Amino acid sequence: LAKTTQPISMDSYEGQEVNITCSHNNIATNDYITWYQQFPSQGPRFIIQGYKTKVTNEVASLFIPADRKSSTLSLPRVSLSDTAVYYCLVVNYGSARQLTFGSGTQLTVLP
Amino acid sequence: EAGVTQSPTHLIKTRGQQATLRCSPISGHTSVYWYQQALGLGLQFLLWYDEGEERNRGNFPPRFSGRQFPNYSSELNVNALELEDSALYLCASSSRTSGFTGELFFGEGSRLTVL
Repeated sequence: LAKTTQPISMDSYEGQEVNITCSHNNIATNDYITWYQQFPSQGPRFIIQGYKTKVTNEVASLFIPADRKSSTLSLPRVSLSDTAVYYCLVVNYGSARQLTFGSGTQLTVLP
Repeated sequence: EAGVTQSPTHLIKTRGQQATLRCSPISGHTSVYWYQQALGLGLQFLLWYDEGEERNRGNFPPRFSGRQFPNYSSELNVNALELEDSALYLCASSSRTSGFTGELFFGEGSRLTVL
């Protein structure tokens, strides 16, 4: 299973765009990059998933370069309610049942 | 549509006792997963149930066990409680498709405190 590395914490201000980068040097061909969000004392929530290039949904964008050894989660115009822990996971389709969560990135949005 | 529901929200036990946590998956989901999140630690995979069968378990001792009922709800039992079992226990569910792709739907958790 590919190991992921992401910053422990990040601060931002309301209205700014936040980019959280995750490295996954040992990603395999069948692996997908997946991001979850977790608020305190709640379960994680699936945000976005991608294989390569760019994926966008109503919450975030995910940028994946051609070598797929890293990925960047982009949150446009963050608000205070985006303060949470963001987890980058590498998910292998077929064996995706046992998700491996790392330490995540604590994003704090300041007023 | 109701999400994953867990009960109780909070549970306080003493060392050596047994704890039972319950989970109701999203309607139509057949898989249920249990994760442990101890304070300051990441989520650790505990168990995966699908169609009433235990499909996989994480690196936890046998005193952590559970089952899935015919209506796909599940319960997690922790026997001979130890202080380090104090944690947030999260249940998640998935459909066959979403489970295959790693999209799990989590409940809000049950906070177990062992004194």
